[in-house]
Amino acid sequence: GENVEQHPSTLSVQEGDSAVIKCTYSDSASNYFPWYKQELGKRPQLIIDIRSNVGEKKDQRIAVTLNKTAKHFSLHITETQPEDSAVYFCAAIWRNTGNQFYFGTGTSLTVIP
Amino acid sequence: DTAVSQTPKYLVTQMGNDKSIKCEQNLGHDTMYWYKQDSKKFLKIMFSYNNKELIINETVPNRFSPKSPDKAHLNLHINSLELGDSAVYFCASSQGGVRHEQFFGPGTRLTVL
Repeated sequence: GENVEQHPSTLSVQEGDSAVIKCTYSDSASNYFPWYKQELGKRPQLIIDIRSNVGEKKDQRIAVTLNKTAKHFSLHITETQPEDSAVYFCAAIWRNTGNQFYFGTGTSLTVIP
Repeated sequence: DTAVSQTPKYLVTQMGNDKSIKCEQNLGHDTMYWYKQDSKKFLKIMFSYNNKELIINETVPNRFSPKSPDKAHLNLHINSLELGDSAVYFCASSQGGVRHEQFFGPGTRLTVL
């Protein structure tokens, strides 16, 4: 299946600092890259997504960048707050198996007040 | 007015038993999914299904089978449960396939003793 590598697996930052999570994918035909946030004991929820026809997308303190040539994309969170603490998952589509959806291995982000 | 619901929330059972988890969505979405989240928080696609095709992740044992009585429901049947099946199972749905936001259910925590 699709190989979606995500780094780092854990990340601790001071409140107000920025956090960056990176993912790489293997299917060059993949064209949709969402990011999901999962708070402890809760369900994953979409926070931002990007399609392959753009290189960057922003939504307030969250931004995602995409480098199609290098096949990697990143999540950037600025001015982090304690409520940003959660597990973040990137994802990509594996078209060889009929557009199956694969998540990265997750990044546990802790924002220290 | 829950968008995606699952029952039961918790399921404790013995090895070798057969069990089902139910999922319902009231969003009018055309695609539904089942995911398995293990103790390391890895989110793994098991199935995606719309009224036209079922896509099965090749690593899923054939003891697992999705059943869709109608467009709003995708139930998960598991035969001959094993210890390694213990995990949280999430149902999700989206409109228009994998390139759109997926809405997750609250999850079912399955424990096999």
